Amino acid sequence: NAGVTQTPKFRILKIGQSMTLQCTQDMNHNYMYWYRQDPGMGLKLIYYSVGAGITDKGEVPNGYNVSRSTTEDFPLRLELAAPSQTSVYFCASTLLGSNQPQHFGDGTRLSIL
Amino acid sequence: AQTVTQSQPEMSVQEAETVTLSCTYDTSESDYYLFWYKQPPSRQMILVIRQEAYKQQNATENRFSVNFQKAAKSFSLKISDSQLGDAAMYFCAYRTFYGGSQGNLIFGKGTKLSVKP
Repeated sequence: NAGVTQTPKFRILKIGQSMTLQCTQDMNHNYMYWYRQDPGMGLKLIYYSVGAGITDKGEVPNGYNVSRSTTEDFPLRLELAAPSQTSVYFCASTLLGSNQPQHFGDGTRLSIL
Repeated sequence: AQTVTQSQPEMSVQEAETVTLSCTYDTSESDYYLFWYKQPPSRQMILVIRQEAYKQQNATENRFSVNFQKAAKSFSLKISDSQLGDAAMYFCAYRTFYGGSQGNLIFGKGTKLSVKP
């Protein structure tokens, strides 16, 4: 059972480039989340999804887009990368309506230079 | 909106000793979940322990236990018989109980725990 898988684990981008962070889960969870973690801080919610075809903004959505075409996948897209988006990105999932905790991927360290 | 506060940016403990990490939160909800996550240098987010607010009994997981004071909105983590592998960032997190909401975790800023041999 792989859980939550994120790719890539590490990436360097130039200012203005775009990229997609991949996230997939094999637990049939309905809720999925993208968080970012800045140095010395806790995680902050970027976007979340309650199921295929349904997404909504979290606390810090500017500069990002998401889609959820399947239950398993929840990619995060950065358009026009900026230095302020240098961070560690975590994808998580859970089965809301149960008492299950969130399961996290191993994170993607992204640097914008 | 709910907030989570960890007032200790760093803590240190001697191996085999006991240490308590503090967490307070603010909410108007009566039912919710509280969690402690461990983040070692590998940056994985590892669930340490969780507490349902409707349960009066404090949660325990082996050497980890919590002191949940609902009226005071306090949720501290006690680590007994500290081991070198306990060295990590520890995050306190809150989650609303009800479905139909975002269901996301609200995190504190974390406490960096060092364990001295």
